[in-house]
Amino acid sequence: AQSVTQLGSHVSVSEGALVLLRCNYSSSVPPYLFWYVQYPNQGLQLLLKYTSAATLVKGINGFEAEFKKSETSFHLTKPSAHMSDAAEYFCAVSVFLSGNTGKLIFGQGTTLQVKP
Amino acid sequence: DGGITQSPKYLFRKEGQNVTLSCEQNLNHDAMYWYRQDPGQGLRLIYYSQIVNDFQKGDIAEGYSVSREKKESFPLTVTSAQKNPTAFYLCASRTATEAFFGQGTRLTVV
Repeated sequence: AQSVTQLGSHVSVSEGALVLLRCNYSSSVPPYLFWYVQYPNQGLQLLLKYTSAATLVKGINGFEAEFKKSETSFHLTKPSAHMSDAAEYFCAVSVFLSGNTGKLIFGQGTTLQVKP
Repeated sequence: DGGITQSPKYLFRKEGQNVTLSCEQNLNHDAMYWYRQDPGQGLRLIYYSQIVNDFQKGDIAEGYSVSREKKESFPLTVTSAQKNPTAFYLCASRTATEAFFGQGTRLTVV
């Protein structure tokens, strides 16, 4: 069965420092993988996605992630944190059902704190 | 603008009362989903629907019901059988490669 594990429920970085949020997945078939960001009391916004094309995926707001099949990982990075990056981040894997759509399985989430 | 609209944003329920959360989309997506979000538990799937007049239980369907009479609409009813309904509820619709989320409804039992 497909699953997602996010390592670290809270990550704290200084403004301008590297952001690294870790995500490992389990899937018996080639997965589609996603990173979403959520600000307080709002819905989820897609940051980036891997859908079996390039393994290094660039997203919005300067974030990127690299799909590593050998490590079953899809870690999210940003070279320099900004105060506005403080939010909760979710990694998700897509489980395909019959037809073209499927359901998204989410990790537990990682809260990113950015210190001035 | 295309998107997903959830209403209301805040909802208060008395003990033993059923309440219905609205979810409407104008993205022409076949698939729609309801998730429940609790602190530290990520998003858990309640129900999903891949086509009109059809839906399936997710991981935590007990105490909830849904209908899918129109492609655009996927309302969620939280019944009195749901013993701990206080949570943030998110509706989504999707294509094969992307899911779009509403702004959520925060339900509180009073």
